Amino acid sequence: GENVEQHPSTLSVQEGDSAVIKCTYSDSASNYFPWYKQELGKRPQLIIDIRSNVGEKKDQRIAVTLNKTAKHFSLHITETQPEDSAVYFCAASKVTGGGNKLTFGTGTQLKVEL
Amino acid sequence: KAGVTQTPRYLIKTRGQQVTLSCSPISGHRSVSWYQQTPGQGLQFLFEYFSETQRNKGNFPGRFSGRQFSNSRSEMNVSTLELGDSALYLCASSPQAYNEQFFGPGTRLTVL
Repeated sequence: GENVEQHPSTLSVQEGDSAVIKCTYSDSASNYFPWYKQELGKRPQLIIDIRSNVGEKKDQRIAVTLNKTAKHFSLHITETQPEDSAVYFCAASKVTGGGNKLTFGTGTQLKVEL
Repeated sequence: KAGVTQTPRYLIKTRGQQVTLSCSPISGHRSVSWYQQTPGQGLQFLFEYFSETQRNKGNFPGRFSGRQFSNSRSEMNVSTLELGDSALYLCASSPQAYNEQFFGPGTRLTVL
C-alpha cells in the first residue's frame, strides 16, 4: 500500500520567515495530494491540495509543489505569522472510481516565534 | 452550509464494551470516510462509504465496522473495546468519492 514520509517532524521559524515541509510517497499511481492544518484540539482543516496533472499551486502565502518523477511534494508558507503555528499533515491518495483513501504523513509541528 | 458534525464529542468506556459513533456529513456530500488519530500512529484510514456502500477499508480488525444510511449519515461501531482503541475518531465528508475531504471535530474515545 501507499506510504507517506514527512519531514521535518518539528520546525521552528521566526515570524516573517518562510517554512518548507516535505513529503515523499511510494505509490506512483497516487494522484491527489492535500495538506491539512490541525491546531491543538481542533479538527484537521484542508489548506491546499494539488492533483498530479499540476506541478505547482499557490493560494496567497501558501504554495504546494509536486515532483511526480521523484515522488515528492512540498508545502511552502511565506511570511509566516504566529497563527500559522500548528501541526501540518500531508496526504496522498489514489483517486479512482473505487473511492478516495487518504494516507497521511506523520505530521510537522510548526512553531512561529515572535 | 453547516460543517461535518460528530456525536458524541467525548466518550469513556471500559474494556470489553462496544461503542457507536455518529457522523453527519455536509449537506449534499455522499462520501464519508473514518480515520483514527493517535499520538503514536498518527492519522490512519478506517473505511469509506459512498451511497451506502463500503468503497475502501483500512487495516483494522473486524471489531471496527461501519455503515451509511440513505441520508448519507454514517456510524462506526467498535466492539470488544481494548485499551489501544483510545483515540480521536474523525470522520470526513466529500461531495463525491474522489474530491477533497472535510473533517468533523472528532469523537474522543477513552477506554479504561
